[in-house]
Amino acid sequence: EPEVTQTPSHQVTQMGQEVILRCVPISNHLYFYWYRQILGQKVEFLVSFYNNEISEKSEIFDDQFSVERPDGSNFTLKIRSTKLEDSAMYFCASGSGQGVSEQYFGPGTRLTVT
Amino acid sequence: GQQLNQSPQSMFIQEGEDVSMNCTSSSIFNTWLWYKQDPGEGPVLLIALYKAGELTSNGRLTAQFGITRKDSFLNISASIPSDVGIYFCAGRNTGNQFYFGTGTSLTVIP
Repeated sequence: EPEVTQTPSHQVTQMGQEVILRCVPISNHLYFYWYRQILGQKVEFLVSFYNNEISEKSEIFDDQFSVERPDGSNFTLKIRSTKLEDSAMYFCASGSGQGVSEQYFGPGTRLTVT
Repeated sequence: GQQLNQSPQSMFIQEGEDVSMNCTSSSIFNTWLWYKQDPGEGPVLLIALYKAGELTSNGRLTAQFGITRKDSFLNISASIPSDVGIYFCAGRNTGNQFYFGTGTSLTVIP
């Protein structure tokens, strides 16, 4: 069964550094998402991406964040100048359509900022 | 952002019992999803609901899209130990943004 994959599974970085989290969505999906989950809290929407552009973003997704689909398979989240409070699980998700689409989540990347 | 409140926050039940949990919002949603999350893993989709009043089953799980479009319910019948985890509801309005609930932690005692 097709699944969303994410790399790395765990990323440790120092405060102020840039990180890139990578995702490979399900191959025939057109909608892509990034979420974060701070330990013990709910899942929070960051951004949705369709047709090579951001379709929606939350107030969390400020200028520190950017997303890119550099080729036909990868979907990346870049976090510039990481802060301690960026430590969280980051989940990528993909879906086949907007109107009646479910979302399928990847296993997540645990980001630890020290 | 939108607030989705789930209740109860946590449940401790005996194996074999039925479970009910719900999710309410102050806003209308067009899609409701229910996910289960195991520790250290991503949410796994359980059930998707697309129309007000819709009742959908997936094995021992049954979920309903509330008539007001502001709530949804998930029932698990005859619980088993592997049902342990955190259950999240998620709603989508007219945009392409999904809002997650606060989660219900389920513990099943063998």
